[in-house]
Parts: sequence; C-alpha cells; structure tokens
Amino acid sequence: DTEVTQTPKHLVMGMTNKKSLKCEQHMGHRAMYWYKQKAKKPPELMFVYSYEKLSINESVPSRFSPECPNSSLLNLHLHALQPEDSALYLCASSQESRMNTEAFFGQGTRLTVV
Amino acid sequence: AQSVAQPEDQVNVAEGNPLTVKCTYSVSGNPYLFWYVQYPNRGLQFLLKYITGDNLVKGSYGFEAEFNKSQTSFHLKKPSALVSDSALYFCAVRDMDYGQNFVFGPGTRLSVLP
Repeated sequence: DTEVTQTPKHLVMGMTNKKSLKCEQHMGHRAMYWYKQKAKKPPELMFVYSYEKLSINESVPSRFSPECPNSSLLNLHLHALQPEDSALYLCASSQESRMNTEAFFGQGTRLTVV
Repeated sequence: AQSVAQPEDQVNVAEGNPLTVKCTYSVSGNPYLFWYVQYPNRGLQFLLKYITGDNLVKGSYGFEAEFNKSQTSFHLKKPSALVSDSALYFCAVRDMDYGQNFVFGPGTRLSVLP
C-alpha cells in the first residue's frame, strides 16, 4: 500500500469557521509533511513531523495548527482563515529522514475560504 | 541551501516525438534528485529519483532522466510522448541542510499535441 489518503477532497469554509484536514498513511513512514499549493505553483512547505514531533514550522500563521496524534495520522486544524488561504493542501509522507527516499503525496484537499 | 531551476514554463511536443523537460540544481554535497508529475486537481505522483550510481535513471510510465554532474542537470526524458503525458512536472531536491525537506522547482507544463 503506497497510499496517502486525505479527507475531505473539497472544503468550503467561512472566515469564522473551524475545520480540520485529515491525512492518513499505512506505509510505516515516520516523516509526514503539510504543503500548500497555489494554482500553477510548486508546493510550499508548511510543517514537517518526524517521529510524531514537529520538526519544522515554516513561519506559518497560527490560524493553521498541525497535530500528529500517532505515526499514521496527521491533522491540520483551521481557524479564522482568510480568503488568500484558499489553495490545495497536500499531505505527504516519507521514510523518516533517509535522504534517498521519495515522498508519497495524497490527492490533496481543495480549500476555499469565503 | 539547495535549489532547483526549471528553465521552461511550458514545453509543447507532438505525440510520438521524444520529450525533454529540463532541470538544473544547486546543492551542497551529494544531490538527491526527484521528478514528480501532477495532473489537474491531483496530488503529486513520484516518477523517478537519482541517488547514486548510473547516470541514466529509469522510472514509471516510460520516463527516464539523465543526471549530469558537470552540468548540474537532471533532465526528464521520454522516447515517445503520449497525449496522456500532458501535465505539470516538478523537479525536486532533498535539502540536507534543512530538515531534509523536499525543495521543488517552479514546474514545467508539458502539452503533448495529437
């Protein structure tokens, strides 16, 4: 199984809402990532978890709050977002910190903030 | 810091012709290079990687890439393009200096014309 599953696929939320994005993998990977991707642009790193601990936070606004409940799950909690936060949010995983391993990406959550 | 450049925003090729998507890199130390493809409203799919060894790397869907250390390039190639190869292609490098994150190039849109 080389799948990373993200839910929901689409999400529309108001600026006062609270919502969560979910990501799951069962490949035994110990590194998990959140990326943000705007249209026709490359993914931009938001957060990295390594062994369920936050190892990188790319100066992301506090309205985005990541959580790694266990080695298979990664959440991104959203609160008081702005319209400019509308984007495709991608989750990825890889074998811990081995440089020669690729990352596997989920299909993404298309987020629209209204 | 590591970086990746993709000099062409767009590549057009006729179906059946060979295709090349260009990538150059800048790294400190050994390069760990990857190619990903993204179809509309989808996540990134891994195509191939260069870690060490043979300069010609074979990957998924008939794609291959040629690593050239002297030119710091890692161009993606396919002998005979298909219309279904039309997508957005990203070259990426693993950043040894920053949490081993994946750093993506700006992307190249490939259009294969029937």
